[in-house]
Formats: sequence, structure tokens, C-alpha cells
Amino acid sequence: DAGVIQSPRHEVTEMGQEVTLRCKPISGHDYLFWYRQTMMRGLELLIYFNNNVPIDDSGMPEDRFSAKMPNASFSTLKIQPSEPRDSAVYFCASSLETSLGPDTQYFGPGTRLTVL
Amino acid sequence: AQSVTQLDSQVPVFEEAPVELRCNYSSSVSVYLFWYVQYPNQGLQLLLKYLSGSTLVKGINGFEAEFNKSQTSFHLRKPSVHISDTAEYFCAVSFSSGSARQLTFGSGTQLTVLP
Repeated sequence: DAGVIQSPRHEVTEMGQEVTLRCKPISGHDYLFWYRQTMMRGLELLIYFNNNVPIDDSGMPEDRFSAKMPNASFSTLKIQPSEPRDSAVYFCASSLETSLGPDTQYFGPGTRLTVL
Repeated sequence: AQSVTQLDSQVPVFEEAPVELRCNYSSSVSVYLFWYVQYPNQGLQLLLKYLSGSTLVKGINGFEAEFNKSQTSFHLRKPSVHISDTAEYFCAVSFSSGSARQLTFGSGTQLTVLP
């Protein structure tokens, strides 16, 4: 398997513009997670899905952020309008339900977002 | 409150020396424990995990960790490090209450192996 795929790898945009980050999870995985990593706040969970349904979005910073998972093989994280403080690396991860407990989360390479 | 603490933000060590990266957690419920490694400009990769059973867990690249319930710790060790081990290491915990799928990450420890 190719692993978790994220696009774009780098995104530079201007304040006020809409930004869409994309993720393709590992085939067969039923959990998908979106994280944000910054120097100041470390790694934060933004939202996660189970079988395409959002389970917990309490980490989404504000209404400017939204995430969707229209099918098992695709998810988007949208920021509208973007602000300089949104600059960060955004990771997508996926995992598979097991009877033993939480399984390994497999991370994508991340999207480095810079908002000018 | 449930939390994860990595006390050492930076750990420099010479090549072939042993290393221990510390991780402590605070929880009133059962936990599942993970160590991830992040190389520059890459995503996180699992080193090892503890779900149940033996408290000594062996992972990839010669790393191991021991779950100590009484001390609420899950320290990562390697007897002899290599230059290629230079990376950031994250301890992560999943708490059995609430959603067991969520991981809470520590702040990370930057391991730098010196020649």
C-alpha cells in the first residue's frame, strides 16, 4: 500500500483566501484523523472520523475550519478565510478498528501551510 | 485531568552511547501507550506500542520501552544510538475512558546523536 497520501505537500497563500487540504487514507482503514503541528502548541487533534462520520470535532479551532469525508477513500480539511496564525503542518492519519484496543495510527507526510 | 508529559525537550548524546527518553502520564483510567518518531520533514512513524501483556515492549530500530503502572511512566530506551536516530520522539497515550481512539501526544523530545 502507498500509505496515507496528502496533497498538496506545501501551500502558500494570502490571508483571506480559502485553503483546501486533501487526504487519502490507507485502503480498508475505518478511522481518519486530522492533526495540526506547530512549534508553540505541538501536535493537536483537530477532528476524527469513523466510517466517514465525524465523531469528535472539539479540536477544530473555530468556524473557519471545516472537514468532510464524502467516502472511505477521501477527506478534506478546509480553512475559509485563512489567517497567518493558521500557518502550521497539517497531518492526516488513518487506523483500523481492532478488538485489542487502539491500533496504530499511520501518518501521512503532512501539508506545510504558510499564510502570508 | 489526563495528560502526557515529556520532561526533556532536547537530549544530546554521543554515538554508540545509551539513551533514555522519558514519558509520564496522568490518568485515573487504564491507558494504551505509544512512541512515535518524526524525522525532518516527514510524518510520524510508530516505534512501539503497549496495549496489554508484557510491560517490556520492543520496537523497531532497536528501541524498547517499559510500562510502569505504579510510576505512570513509559520511558523509551536504546542501548547504543546511531547518527540516524537523530529525530523528534513523541510519546502518546490513549485513555480508556471516552473515545479510546484519540491519542494525546506529549510535547516531543528532540534526540540529537553527536559523532
